Amino acid sequence: DAGVIQSPRHEVTEMGQEVTLRCKPISGHDYLFWYRQTMMRGLELLIYFNNNVPIDDSGMPEDRFSAKMPNASFSTLKIQPSEPRDSAVYFCASSFRGTNTEAFFGQGTRLTVV
Amino acid sequence: QKEVEQDPGPLSVPEGAIVSLNCTYSNSAFQYFMWYRQYSRKGPELLMYTYSSGNKEDGRFTAQVDKSSKYISLFIRDSQPSDSATYLCAMKADSWGKLQFGAGTQVVVTP
Repeated sequence: DAGVIQSPRHEVTEMGQEVTLRCKPISGHDYLFWYRQTMMRGLELLIYFNNNVPIDDSGMPEDRFSAKMPNASFSTLKIQPSEPRDSAVYFCASSFRGTNTEAFFGQGTRLTVV
Repeated sequence: QKEVEQDPGPLSVPEGAIVSLNCTYSNSAFQYFMWYRQYSRKGPELLMYTYSSGNKEDGRFTAQVDKSSKYISLFIRDSQPSDSATYLCAMKADSWGKLQFGAGTQVVVTP
């Protein structure tokens, strides 16, 4: 398996633009997590899904952030409109049978909002 | 105050030395403790997983949990330049809970 695949690896956008980050989890995994990593706040869980259903989105910072998982092999994290303070590395991770097991992380998307 | 405190470093050691990393936490409900390793521009990868108090050893790595002091440690013996990375501690209260990460400690092992 190729592991968790995220795209794009880097994204530079202007303030106010819509940004869509994409994730393909490991085949067969039933949990998918979106994290954000910054120097100031470290690694934070934004939202996670179980069997494509959002379970906990309490980490989503604002209504500008939304996430979807239309099927077991694809998820998106959208920011609309983007702001400079959204600049961070966004990680997607997946696991099999829950949060008690090892979550495998993708390589991340480095987002810069100017 | 953050729930999980971790010194960001950097921690520089010569090759072959023992690397000692630690985290403190405030939530006494935490029972599951993990250490992740993150290489530059990569995602974190799970290194060690411990439930409740005690020690766990895996090759050159030893994880210790002292719940009475709310303190966890990771030791790396015979450190190698390839161990140069950021090490993040993480913990949660129950098996289905949300992981709380420390800030990560950057480790540099010099040849």
